[in-house]
Amino acid sequence: DQQVKQNSPSLSVQEGRISILNCDYTNSMFDYFLWYKKYPAEGPTFLISISSIKDKNEDGRFTVFLNKSAKHLSLHIVPSQPGDSAVYFCAASSVGGDDKIIFGKGTRLHILP
Amino acid sequence: GAGVSQSPSNKVTEKGKDVELRCDPISGHTALYWYRQSLGQGLEFLIYFQGNSAPDKSGLPSDRFSAERTGGSVSTLTIQRTQQEDSAVYLCASSRWHGAGDNEQFFGPGTRLTVL
Repeated sequence: DQQVKQNSPSLSVQEGRISILNCDYTNSMFDYFLWYKKYPAEGPTFLISISSIKDKNEDGRFTVFLNKSAKHLSLHIVPSQPGDSAVYFCAASSVGGDDKIIFGKGTRLHILP
Repeated sequence: GAGVSQSPSNKVTEKGKDVELRCDPISGHTALYWYRQSLGQGLEFLIYFQGNSAPDKSGLPSDRFSAERTGGSVSTLTIQRTQQEDSAVYLCASSRWHGAGDNEQFFGPGTRLTVL
């Protein structure tokens, strides 16, 4: 039973355009959401997060949007750069609950020259 | 060290053998996590430590899996009588304390385990 779903295994985007990675969750107790980025042969690294009290968080080229009613979040990268090619994991947790982070399966982003 | 380190980086073993994977967390981090990433899957939570104790072992797939942490630092994940389905990348992460919210988990590079 997947609580965090990333339905697109891969995504290709032209350099300079916007990359949009989507994520859905099923557990209404989740109230903190994260995106991690992973390069081959390296561990995931934290990218950006959002608390459920917000619907948007921006950090440079990266913006995360949260739609609680739809249990959906998305990561926007603009403009996309070659170094953005990686696997992106969406993750969710319940602050004050068991506090475990539940990860999705990841989306592989390819930035095309 | 500056980051989380794991050893070995790669391990190939024969079915039925025992393996031990090691994780060195960031100094001062009290929480330590083990995850597994099988082919085509996300990161699957296995176990976490707060200090030397493991309050949540719910993710361990079977009793062939065990983990310990000594001195609040290094942790070892042991898999006994390995099976082919144990083949995966085993990732370790540490954080300042156990808790969600603004408490980033820092990951090591992982150990790729292949069971023949």
